[in-house]
Amino acid sequence: TQLLEQSPQFLSIQEGENLTVYCNSSSVFSSLQWYRQEPGEGPVLLVTVVTGGEVKKLKRLTFQFGDARKDSSLHITAAQTGDTGLYLCAGLKTGANNLFFGTGTRLTVIP
Amino acid sequence: SAVISQKPSRDICQRGTSLTIQCQVDSQVTMMFWYRQQPGQSLTLIATANQGSEATYESGFVIDKFPISRPNLTFSTLTVSNMSPEDSSIYLCSVEDRWYPRSDTEAFFGQGTRLTVV
Repeated sequence: TQLLEQSPQFLSIQEGENLTVYCNSSSVFSSLQWYRQEPGEGPVLLVTVVTGGEVKKLKRLTFQFGDARKDSSLHITAAQTGDTGLYLCAGLKTGANNLFFGTGTRLTVIP
Repeated sequence: SAVISQKPSRDICQRGTSLTIQCQVDSQVTMMFWYRQQPGQSLTLIATANQGSEATYESGFVIDKFPISRPNLTFSTLTVSNMSPEDSSIYLCSVEDRWYPRSDTEAFFGQGTRLTVV
């Protein structure tokens, strides 16, 4: 079983619509990251959240870290075709050597 | 930040053969990570490679199947041995930057090696 569960697994929406992707766990993380991956490339970091309850905004993307540091969400406003990709959350546990990656959400934005 | 060069980018191999994937980083790093990814799915950690010591493998992965070399602080190789069609996947190497004490971290990835075993 994966430590971080993402939902939905697949999402197909029209350009201009809003969407939210969730990343949930029963474990506490010292920080959580969101990555986007496009075909033929490795994942690229979008944001890191560290403090429980923290909200970060990057243009049309809003990221939130849960108060208990067990979950996170990614909200995209007015999706564009360029947002298409695989979105991965990843958590860092205190004392761990590696990141734990979520199950992934494949987003397709239709023009 | 880190720039990672990984090669080959793709290969088609016969079953029973072995393929060695190379990963070169533009800076010195203590740990390098090897992942496997089915297209469109999440990453599964294979092993962590430390310079000067044996790699640490995750559950379900063994050294005989996935031997790893780490000869210096900027280079690592992963070999997929005695391949079968079930080994067809994307293999990625990765390094991480960490900033203490905030626990900020950023993972950097190579572009991946798409392996098809026939």
